[in-house]
Amino acid sequence: DAGITQSPRHKVTETGTPVTLRCHQTENHRYMYWYRQDPGHGLRLIHYSYGVKDTDKGEVSDGYSVSRSKTEDFLLTLESATSSQTSVYFCAISTDREGEQYFGPGTRLTVT
Amino acid sequence: SQQGEEDPQALSIQEGENATMNCSYKTSINNLQWYRQNSGRGLVHLILIRSNEREKHSGRLRVTLDTSKKSSSLLITASRAADTASYFCATDGISNTGKLIFGQGTTLQVKP
Repeated sequence: DAGITQSPRHKVTETGTPVTLRCHQTENHRYMYWYRQDPGHGLRLIHYSYGVKDTDKGEVSDGYSVSRSKTEDFLLTLESATSSQTSVYFCAISTDREGEQYFGPGTRLTVT
Repeated sequence: SQQGEEDPQALSIQEGENATMNCSYKTSINNLQWYRQNSGRGLVHLILIRSNEREKHSGRLRVTLDTSKKSSSLLITASRAADTASYFCATDGISNTGKLIFGQGTTLQVKP
């Protein structure tokens, strides 16, 4: 799977708790992305990064923050999880901004 | 709002038949991509077609792009049971940021 891992793969948490999801790549790709996938909505971009410490918002960024202190790691944080953030989260990487993206295996997050 | 919209939402065919999926989008693009997602897995890139291309082939896949109609189609010829998956189109909206907007997908079932 193109050298991308996500952790944890499954998580159940309670409303109001902070949650951090990790995406790790071994490909040294410059671009990294976080998406969420929900029934009826397809994949929606949350945040993306175009380099270390360089990040920008996607279309559904409210309630999420990201950090990228190293090329290989892109962290997604839910500061105070809500039930509406129950979803499957995918990380993706890309060598350039016009090319194909390689996806990780996903993290299934349930907020109770 | 979704940039790409796939049609049909679901498609069921017999092995050996051809499968055609369509994608419509709203804004100008640099390129359009097609991805496949097997159940419970991450997305896998299939093919990228640039805005100045009209048709592209990759193995049993044929993609067409009509920028005047803002639409694309994915044809899978001689389908196999292993082609059973969801298929998504994604566009970049000429943002030049690598941000992709995905459609909601077509679920293809190929019966043996």
